[in-house]
Amino acid sequence: DAKTTQPNSMESNEEEPVHLPCNHSTISGTDYIHWYRQLPSQGPEYVIHGLTSNVNNRMASLAIAEDRKSSTLILHRATLRDAAVYYCILMDRNYGGSQGNLIFGKGTKLSVKP
Amino acid sequence: NAGVTQTPKFRILKIGQSMTLQCTQDMNHNYMYWYRQDPGMGLKLIYYSVGAGITDKGEVPNGYNVSRSTTEDFPLRLELAAPSQTSVYFCASTRTALGQPQHFGDGTRLSIL
Repeated sequence: DAKTTQPNSMESNEEEPVHLPCNHSTISGTDYIHWYRQLPSQGPEYVIHGLTSNVNNRMASLAIAEDRKSSTLILHRATLRDAAVYYCILMDRNYGGSQGNLIFGKGTKLSVKP
Repeated sequence: NAGVTQTPKFRILKIGQSMTLQCTQDMNHNYMYWYRQDPGMGLKLIYYSVGAGITDKGEVPNGYNVSRSTTEDFPLRLELAAPSQTSVYFCASTRTALGQPQHFGDGTRLSIL
């Protein structure tokens, strides 16, 4: 089972910031926090990941709580192309021995209105 | 740069038929994965490989087989297709298992009738 909790859906207006929350209260000290998104009829796409510190890249920012039990993916200006399912995933490096697979939950479906 | 390429994109099989889903990557990644995604659900791991000649089962391996004879290729074999295997199949790769992003193909949509 997924070790993260996300809202089922969120709505945003185009060109406004979006904050996508994720709770992971059972995170271990060495779990990475990954975010992927899946556009309709496509494979998942890597967005960003972090361990302890906040992270920024060209797509988004990742804010990690000090106790690491929650995180927030921030899209600074939503576009219509950002409408997708967003997955918050803990990198399970201990499943069967360092295989590095991603454990997907149902994610948050983000709708962006023009 | 092609990344991860999956073929075919769509396929319809009859119950009991067999087929191979192809996956190839050109990034020289050691780790490769096969996932399946049922409607409205997240992805589940079928099999994975940490390098040529090494494969292992994931969460839902029953009814599938894999091989990894080269770094680039990781085919998934369905021997006796069943309706429960109707799904979208995604192949992914990454350089290492430690926190590195995974790169996904566009998927194969498979229907078993």
